[in-house]
Amino acid sequence: GEDVEQSLFLSVREGDSSVINCTYTDSSSTYLYWYKQEPGAGLQLLTYIFSNMDMKQDQRLTVLLNKKDKHLSLRIADTQTGDSAIYFCAEREDNYGQNFVFGPGTRLSVLP
Amino acid sequence: DSGVTQTPKHLITATGQRVTLRCSPRSGDLSVYWYQQSLDQGLQFLIQYYNGEERAKGNILERFSAQQFPDLHSELNLSSLELGDSALYFCASSVDPNPLNEQFFGPGTRLTVL
Repeated sequence: GEDVEQSLFLSVREGDSSVINCTYTDSSSTYLYWYKQEPGAGLQLLTYIFSNMDMKQDQRLTVLLNKKDKHLSLRIADTQTGDSAIYFCAEREDNYGQNFVFGPGTRLSVLP
Repeated sequence: DSGVTQTPKHLITATGQRVTLRCSPRSGDLSVYWYQQSLDQGLQFLIQYYNGEERAKGNILERFSAQQFPDLHSELNLSSLELGDSALYFCASSVDPNPLNEQFFGPGTRLTVL
């Protein structure tokens, strides 16, 4: 079945770049997403990328997709303490009725 | 504040019981999603409704059911509760099922089964 994997923890220093990695197994995934969950809150969509794209940039966020290796990464430039959260990678097929599959989440800790 | 409301915020109950979780989507959103977040299973999609009809089913147990009412609010019913059902249950809403439309998440209902 579908599976999405992420490393569980990442620590970076404030001002450095963070890179959160994700691998997925479903080759028919059309949409790939990054969500952020702050403590005690629901998920917030950060960005998404179509599977026919290699890269997407949105302010401090850069998403890279290697479709051949089924590898997705999220780079946060100039990481701030407010970026401390859990980041979820998710995939979805190009079908209005298709469900989401989420990774286990990566807990990002930003050290001062 | 996402505009999605969920009640109750916390729920404590015993094994074997039945509970109902309620979700009101953002104004104008027709699609509602339910998710379960637990330490064991992580974040899992349960079920999706669009304009009152079931749209997609994820890892939802047979003991669980949901519906979306004409006023678009949704309820998730959990029955014959087990210890392993303890989790945070999120509701999300979007304008329609288009995958490009952002899902807005509610604050969640924390269910504890003792």
